[in-house]
Amino acid sequence: KNEVEQSPQNLTAQEGEFITINCSYSVGISALHWLQQHPGGGIVSLFMLSSGKKKHGRLIATINIQEKHSSLHITASHPRDSAVYICAVIFGNEKLTFGTGTRLTIIP
Amino acid sequence: KAGVTQTPRYLIKTRGQQVTLSCSPISGHRSVSWYQQTPGQGLQFLFEYFSETQRNKGNFPGRFSGRQFSNSRSEMNVSTLELGDSALYLCASSLVLSGMEGYTFGSGTRLTVV
Repeated sequence: KNEVEQSPQNLTAQEGEFITINCSYSVGISALHWLQQHPGGGIVSLFMLSSGKKKHGRLIATINIQEKHSSLHITASHPRDSAVYICAVIFGNEKLTFGTGTRLTIIP
Repeated sequence: KAGVTQTPRYLIKTRGQQVTLSCSPISGHRSVSWYQQTPGQGLQFLFEYFSETQRNKGNFPGRFSGRQFSNSRSEMNVSTLELGDSALYLCASSLVLSGMEGYTFGSGTRLTVV
């Protein structure tokens, strides 16, 4: 069965802390996406990965194909990073399958 | 450049009615995909259209349908609405099929069925 698991479900941290959100999937994939959803519902695509590592500003995403695992890191976290972060993968059936999301709250 | 536009933003319908939602993709994007988000089930894939053809479909009943026009704009229709259809409906556009060049999401249509 094609499954995506994220951890933790909820994460609260102080401003400035280093944040890690994890995503594991059950079988081989074509690509993995990290998405950010703010209150109100709008979704922003942060990264698309099929191998290795990508960096954009304070955000870093890595993927280990052999381990079927990806991580999203946020350095020097800020209250504006507070959002739900969602991992989504494309399995062989080409349908985007979503994790349950990680609700991140950064306290000033 | 203009983003993905979804209309309407909010909608209230009565059980048994039907509803049509619209999604205008980014100019040049040929793929439009639709998703349903509910508190209980999270985000789920509905279907994807590319060049006016449905290329992929999620596990939803036949009451959920869609189409894509020659200008890549897409509509989604839900007939015989049920209370459980209350959700945020999101569309995303991408340059190529299955978002292999990334997705851009619209702001969503929040549908409430009463």
